[in-house]
Amino acid sequence: GNSVTQMEGPVTLSEEAFLTINCTYTATGYPSLFWYVQYPGEGLQLLLKATKADDKGSNKGFEATYRKETTSFHLEKGSVQVSDSAVYFCALCKNSGGSNYKLTFGKGTLLTVNP
Amino acid sequence: DTEVTQTPKHLVMGMTNKKSLKCEQHMGHRAMYWYKQKAKKPPELMFVYSYEKLSINESVPSRFSPECPNSSLLNLHLHALQPEDSALYLCASSQRIDLNYGYTFGSGTRLTVV
Repeated sequence: GNSVTQMEGPVTLSEEAFLTINCTYTATGYPSLFWYVQYPGEGLQLLLKATKADDKGSNKGFEATYRKETTSFHLEKGSVQVSDSAVYFCALCKNSGGSNYKLTFGKGTLLTVNP
Repeated sequence: DTEVTQTPKHLVMGMTNKKSLKCEQHMGHRAMYWYKQKAKKPPELMFVYSYEKLSINESVPSRFSPECPNSSLLNLHLHALQPEDSALYLCASSQRIDLNYGYTFGSGTRLTVV
């Protein structure tokens, strides 16, 4: 079946540090890939997405590139801010049988950015 | 309008109560979803509606009863819940169930069962 593996947290960084959160996936064919962010006490917000190999998703200084050869979609940001502190979920959307597409999440990575 | 709106934001209910969660979207999406999220865990799919019809029930106990009155509204009726049902309940929508463009999530209802 489809699955997503992302690095275990928590991740603690100082402001302006470089961020990488690793994400790899297992799926047949060509899933769409997503990063969602969940700020404390809130729901999930779509951060970025990529729908085909070599696509780069980007938003708010965050980037991730869909790498088919390594089945990866690592999240990066060059300079994190305190306001980036949140839980980040990597996810894929793939046909789960018939015509139904299902969103499969990784376990989430808690990021804390200190001033 | 690019939002999914959930009400109420917080709900405390007793084990004998009946309550309902409401979700609304006006993006023309024809697939709507209920997820349950426990603390420090990813969301877990509960129900999927496609064109107002129940498409997927992920073996959810009958004390949770979904309803889709029209293409913009999704309800989750709650009855005789247990304390372990306390969680964040998230609603989401997508253009169609057979497209892989991802979902738009609401901000959730935080439910506490006492």
